[in-house]
Amino acid sequence: AQSVTQPDIHITVSEGASLELRCNYSYGATPYLFWYVQSPGQGLQLLLKYFSGDTLVQGIKGFEAEFKRSQSSFNLRKPSVHWSDAAEYFCAVGPWSGGSNYKLTFGKGTLLTVNP
Amino acid sequence: DTGVSQNPRHKITKRGQNVTFRCDPISEHNRLYWYRQTLGQGPEFLTYFQNEAQLEKSRLLSDRFSAERPKGSFSTLEIQRTEQGDSAMYLCAIEPRDSPYYTFGSGTRLTVV
Repeated sequence: AQSVTQPDIHITVSEGASLELRCNYSYGATPYLFWYVQSPGQGLQLLLKYFSGDTLVQGIKGFEAEFKRSQSSFNLRKPSVHWSDAAEYFCAVGPWSGGSNYKLTFGKGTLLTVNP
Repeated sequence: DTGVSQNPRHKITKRGQNVTFRCDPISEHNRLYWYRQTLGQGPEFLTYFQNEAQLEKSRLLSDRFSAERPKGSFSTLEIQRTEQGDSAMYLCAIEPRDSPYYTFGSGTRLTVV
């Protein structure tokens, strides 16, 4: 069964500091990996995705993530955090079937607080 | 405009009452999904539709839950005889035809008192 672990429940950083959110997955085949962001009371917005190819993927809002198969990890990074980045971040893994992905498995999320 | 409209945004109901949520896809899409997100957790898969056919249901979807998608357009999720444990955010998502990943709606937050 597939699973996602986000070891950090809550992270606090200062505005302008760098950020790394950790994600480890368990999946029996080639994983398709995603990072989503959720603001309070809102749905989830896709930040970036990894399907294949270059293991360093760029996303929106200046985020990037690196897929490391040997470590079963897909950590999210940002060089300089902005106050508007405060939100909850979810890593997800899913299978690929018939040209699309479905039935994503999400981690429990990491809540990011940004201090001024 | 996220591509998915969900109504209502918030619902407070008394234990034992029935509730129904609606999901209206705005964008062209392949599949429609329902997820549930409880406090402190990530979203969990409930069920999904390909057109009007409901192709898979999670074990989380007890007999009190029913989802429909008449004519392959909007979808509804009904919970009968609500329990306090049903309190959660219910998220609808679509898989747009031109994008191999989900677009989520803003969700319906259910509070059972």
